[in-house]
Amino acid sequence: KAGVTQTPRYLIKTRGQQVTLSCSPISGHRSVSWYQQTPGQGLQFLFEYFSETQRNKGNFPGRFSGRQFSNSRSEMNVSTLELGDSALYLCASSLGHSGSRGHGEQFFGPGTRLTVL
Amino acid sequence: AQSVTQPDIHITVSEGASLELRCNYSYGATPYLFWYVQSPGQGLQLLLKYFSGDTLVQGIKGFEAEFKRSQSSFNLRKPSVHWSDAAEYFCAVGGGSNYQLIWGAGTKLIIKP
Repeated sequence: KAGVTQTPRYLIKTRGQQVTLSCSPISGHRSVSWYQQTPGQGLQFLFEYFSETQRNKGNFPGRFSGRQFSNSRSEMNVSTLELGDSALYLCASSLGHSGSRGHGEQFFGPGTRLTVL
Repeated sequence: AQSVTQPDIHITVSEGASLELRCNYSYGATPYLFWYVQSPGQGLQLLLKYFSGDTLVQGIKGFEAEFKRSQSSFNLRKPSVHWSDAAEYFCAVGGGSNYQLIWGAGTKLIIKP
């Protein structure tokens, strides 16, 4: 079974630009969660999607948005990039949504390393 | 407030030595506990989980963890570490009506040859 894939793996943007990151979950997984990982802040939860609906959202500004498609693939978008958005963005898929026990078992992709100049 | 604390930011152990990584949590409901590992340049991988039952759980790569409710702890152990265990380790908790994981800050494990 193929794992979680994320594209692109690396991205360099300048301040003010926008970026779209993509995540394909494990086949059969309908829950996709996004995280931002930085050395100073650790792993920060961005949002969770299940069956094309956002179930949970972390404490990030509205510049961060996402969506999920009917095939469970998910995208996240960051508009008006700031230097502080430089991070590793991780996507994780799971069988269950956050209201179910199976949600705790998350399968992570390798991440997209975003650098904002 | 719900939280997970990993008190050690870095730990250095010699290859072949035993390892214990600490994790303490504060959680309002029955906790379900997880340890994940992140190797350099990789995403996270689930090492082991505790839902209920035997408080000593076995995971992959020779790791185990013990749930101690009275101490609100879920420490990760390995009897003999290998150089390939060098990575960052994350403890997480979920449970009750919301399994959205709450993550610890991580402990970076350094192996001395």
